[in-house]
Amino acid sequence: TQLLEQSPQFLSIQEGENLTVYCNSSSVFSSLQWYRQEPGEGPVLLVTVVTGGEVKKLKRLTFQFGDARKDSSLHITAAQPGDTGLYLCAGRTPPSNTGKLIFGQGTTLQVKP
Amino acid sequence: KAGVTQTPRYLIKTRGQQVTLSCSPISGHRSVSWYQQTPGQGLQFLFEYFSETQRNKGNFPGRFSGRQFSNSRSEMNVSTLELGDSALYLCASSENGEYGYTFGSGTRLTVV
Repeated sequence: TQLLEQSPQFLSIQEGENLTVYCNSSSVFSSLQWYRQEPGEGPVLLVTVVTGGEVKKLKRLTFQFGDARKDSSLHITAAQPGDTGLYLCAGRTPPSNTGKLIFGQGTTLQVKP
Repeated sequence: KAGVTQTPRYLIKTRGQQVTLSCSPISGHRSVSWYQQTPGQGLQFLFEYFSETQRNKGNFPGRFSGRQFSNSRSEMNVSTLELGDSALYLCASSENGEYGYTFGSGTRLTVV
């Protein structure tokens, strides 16, 4: 069974602080995606990383895919209350154009003003 | 461009009944996947359809089934509902199943 371990599960920080969310697995993924979900809504795609070692930036968010394509991290710089939400990583199993998404358990982030 | 539309948004059913949920993907998207989200298990993959064919299936009992129509709209059916089937059911569409998905807002199913 392929698993994605996401940590931490909960994070409560003050506005302006930095944070990192980790996503780890013993399995290799053809790609890894990060989503953000608001209460009562479906997840919204933030980024997809495909190549081992790849780094992508989205404003204050930096995403990294591990060299072996088994792990990923999301770093948020100077967090704002608007960043509050559930962050989910999801790995796509090979082959890349089929397969299923394996989701991590999620990280609930609360950013206090 | 319209997003992924799921109907109904909320549903209350009695144990033993069956239910059908509907998903209309983004126009042009041929891949539709279904997920179950619960507080304890998180998001779990149910199945994926591509051009009317089931391309992948998760580890759910046979009570969970789905189908996709020629216009890419998809339905999922759960028969003989159990209390543990209470969950948010999410549908997601993609052009070909590669890379990122666009999710709908989900159907909140409560089994009593």
